Amino acid sequence: SQKIEQNSEALNIQEGKTATLTCNYTNYSPAYLQWYRQDPGRGPVFLLLIRENEKEKRKERLKVTFDTTLKQSLFHITASQPADSATYLCAFMNRDDKIIFGKGTRLHILP
Amino acid sequence: DAMVIQNPRYQVTQFGKPVTLSCSQTLNHNVMYWYQQKSSQAPKLLFHYYDKDFNNEADTPDNFQSRRPNTSFCFLDIRSPGLGDAAMYLCATSRDIGTGNNGYTFGSGTRLTVV
Repeated sequence: SQKIEQNSEALNIQEGKTATLTCNYTNYSPAYLQWYRQDPGRGPVFLLLIRENEKEKRKERLKVTFDTTLKQSLFHITASQPADSATYLCAFMNRDDKIIFGKGTRLHILP
Repeated sequence: DAMVIQNPRYQVTQFGKPVTLSCSQTLNHNVMYWYQQKSSQAPKLLFHYYDKDFNNEADTPDNFQSRRPNTSFCFLDIRSPGLGDAAMYLCATSRDIGTGNNGYTFGSGTRLTVV
């Protein structure tokens, strides 16, 4: 079955450093991947989309890469701030045009 | 601002007592989705409406039903809530199926507690 995996361990990063989150997928080749931010007790908020023919996408301090050979996407936050602390969800659209989400990785930016 | 609004934010219901969660949108999107999210888990799609067409996921229990009386509103009905149905319920919208350019727009969710 189509699976999407994110590191379930929380990630602690010192303020000002670059945070890198990993998303791996199996048994499928999605046309694009999405990244969402979710704060505790809130709904996810869409951040970025990257297509299979794009190696990299940037938006302000965010950068996403997509490696179709490794079946992996990396999500980077540069110059991280405590306000970046949240859970980050990776998602892709499956064969039935439904968005499937990973469990997310909790990111803590330490002041 | 155009948005997706869910009411209530918190809902407590008794075991077995029917409960309805509501979602409204001002985006005029064609598609509305209901997701269930348990603690530290991925959001799980329950069903979606494409306009008036209802699409149930194969593994969504019969206990869960939905109504979409018009473009703006969508309801999630849980006929006989069990303790295992305690979760965050998320409503989301998209302009169309299969167009992920702008992602889904989610509401803030309703946290359901079953006592």
